[in-house]
Amino acid sequence: DIQMTQSPSSLSASVGDRVTITCRASQSISSYLNWYQQKPGKAPKLLIYAESSLQSGVPSRFSGSGSGTDFTLIISSLHPEDFATYYCQQSYSPPYIFGQGTKLEIK
Amino acid sequence: QVQLQESSPGLVKPSETLSLTCTVSGGSISSYYWSWIRQPPGKGLEWIGHVSYSGTTNYNPSLKSRVTISLDTSKNQFSLNLSSVTAADTAVYYCASRGYGHAYFDYWGQGTLVTVSS
Repeated sequence: DIQMTQSPSSLSASVGDRVTITCRASQSISSYLNWYQQKPGKAPKLLIYAESSLQSGVPSRFSGSGSGTDFTLIISSLHPEDFATYYCQQSYSPPYIFGQGTKLEIK
Repeated sequence: QVQLQESSPGLVKPSETLSLTCTVSGGSISSYYWSWIRQPPGKGLEWIGHVSYSGTTNYNPSLKSRVTISLDTSKNQFSLNLSSVTAADTAVYYCASRGYGHAYFDYWGQGTLVTVSS
């Protein structure tokens, strides 16, 4: 199985901050990397697919980059509604493993 | 807009079989891939497996011996059966859809909490 490791596990930031979350795969997954946002009690929401493609309706302050084994999710300027947990997920081969999550909290 | 809704069995006894159904509206189950994903309380997400539009399945090896996912095209539903459950199977269970290419999950059900307890 391809393992996914996110860092940091938690992060405190303020409204307006630029935030970077990283995800590392245990082997190359090309650009088969997706990002999700999950708020308490809700289903995950797809933000970015195929490493850098923005899902319809997702604000442009979210962006993704990387390839191979190292990937990044960037939120350019935090809004209050962005405080949530973020997961990466590899879609290179099944089983489709998720990272352990990064909890983004208000400083 | 595709919408998914899980059934809600709620409580399952240890060693019994967990059965869930996901009803799809706004789209045909005869297209795409249909997955089950679970999340134990306070933990991360685990892909359980999927069934394709043609009925082909793929399961997480960690659960493969206990999982069956199937389609019911007449009802536009797909189902999950997980046998011999233990407390470790207590989780919120989500159904989700993915397209034909990259296996990203674009539509999700709201999730249903299944508790395994006697």
